[in-house]
Amino acid sequence: DIQMTQSPSSLSASVGDRVTITCRASQTINTYLNWYQRKPGRAPQLLIYAASSLQSGVPSRFSGSGFGTDFTLTISSLQPEDFATYFCQQSYSSFTFGPGTKVEIK
Amino acid sequence: QVQLQESGPGLVKPSETLSLTCTVSGGSISPYYWSWVRQPPGKGLEWIGYVFYSGSTNYNPSLKSRLTISVDTSKNQFSLELSSVTAADTAVYHCARHRSAWGTHFDFWGLGTLVTVSS
Repeated sequence: DIQMTQSPSSLSASVGDRVTITCRASQTINTYLNWYQRKPGRAPQLLIYAASSLQSGVPSRFSGSGFGTDFTLTISSLQPEDFATYFCQQSYSSFTFGPGTKVEIK
Repeated sequence: QVQLQESGPGLVKPSETLSLTCTVSGGSISPYYWSWVRQPPGKGLEWIGYVFYSGSTNYNPSLKSRLTISVDTSKNQFSLELSSVTAADTAVYHCARHRSAWGTHFDFWGLGTLVTVSS
């Protein structure tokens, strides 16, 4: 199985900050990497697919990059509605998920 | 807008069968793939398995011996049955849609439903 790790597990940031979250796969997954946002009481929402493609309707302050084993989700200017948990998913071989990164208000 | 809604008992006794249904609204079951994903308390997300609208399936090997996922296109629903449950099967169960078997993403998810396994 391909294992996914994320760092940090949580972070505190202020509105307007640039936030970067890292996801690492235990073996190469090409660009088969997706990012999701999860808020309490809401269904997970797809943000980025195929490592760097922005899902329709998602604000352009979200971006993704990476290839192989190392990937990054960046929020260019954190907004109040962005305080949430973010998790990655690989779909290269079956589906496995990262443990999540909780973004909290500083 | 496509919406997915999980339904089923919130409490299941050990050794019994956990049964959940996901109802799809705002769109058709076909021609998509439909997965179940779960998250035990304090743990990460685990993919359980998927069903294609045609009825073909693929399961997580760790659950395969206890798992059945089926689809009812006439009702725009798909279902999960997990037999011989234990406390380790306590989790929030989500349903989700994707457009291909692998190399894809889950573009719509259900809110999730908590299933507790306890006597």
